Amino acid sequence: KAGVTQTPRYLIKTRGQQVTLSCSPISGHRSVSWYQQTPGQGLQFLFEYFSETQRNKGNFPGRFSGRQFSNSRSEMNVSTLELGDSALYLCASSQDRVDTEAFFGQGTRLTVV
Amino acid sequence: AQSVTQPDIHITVSEGASLELRCNYSYGATPYLFWYVQSPGQGLQLLLKYFSGDTLVQGIKGFEAEFKRSQSSFNLRKPSVHWSDAAEYFCAVGENDYKLSFGAGTTVTVRA
Repeated sequence: KAGVTQTPRYLIKTRGQQVTLSCSPISGHRSVSWYQQTPGQGLQFLFEYFSETQRNKGNFPGRFSGRQFSNSRSEMNVSTLELGDSALYLCASSQDRVDTEAFFGQGTRLTVV
Repeated sequence: AQSVTQPDIHITVSEGASLELRCNYSYGATPYLFWYVQSPGQGLQLLLKYFSGDTLVQGIKGFEAEFKRSQSSFNLRKPSVHWSDAAEYFCAVGENDYKLSFGAGTTVTVRA
């Protein structure tokens, strides 16, 4: 059974640009959530989707958005990139809800220059 | 809001020695509790989880954790560490709001 797949693995963007990250969950999993990991702030929750509906959202500015497709794949978008957005972005999938069991992908390392 | 505290930022342990990582949480009811491990540049791997029942839970890679309600703790242990256990360990809490809250993490260094 394939795990959670995140693409791309590495990304370098310029300040002010926008970026889209992709996450394919484990087959059969309908919940996808996103986390930002930085050395200073640790792991912070961005948002969670289930069957194309956002069920919870973290305390991030509106520049951070996400969506989920009917096949459960999810994307997150960050517009008007800032240097502080440099981070490892992790996607987690679960059958129903991330707070009962979650499987994480390897992450996308975003560097903003 | 719930919080998760991992008091030890960094622990160094000798190969073959025992390891205990501490985790405390603040939450009104019994949350879902997890331990994850992260190797450099990698995602998080679930070691074990606790929902209810037996307060001593076994996980992968020889790890176990004990839930103590009176102390609001969920400490992770391993009787004998291997060099491959060097990584960062995260305690996490889920409380029915479709998200996980993580501690700051404990980095484990294993010396030969």
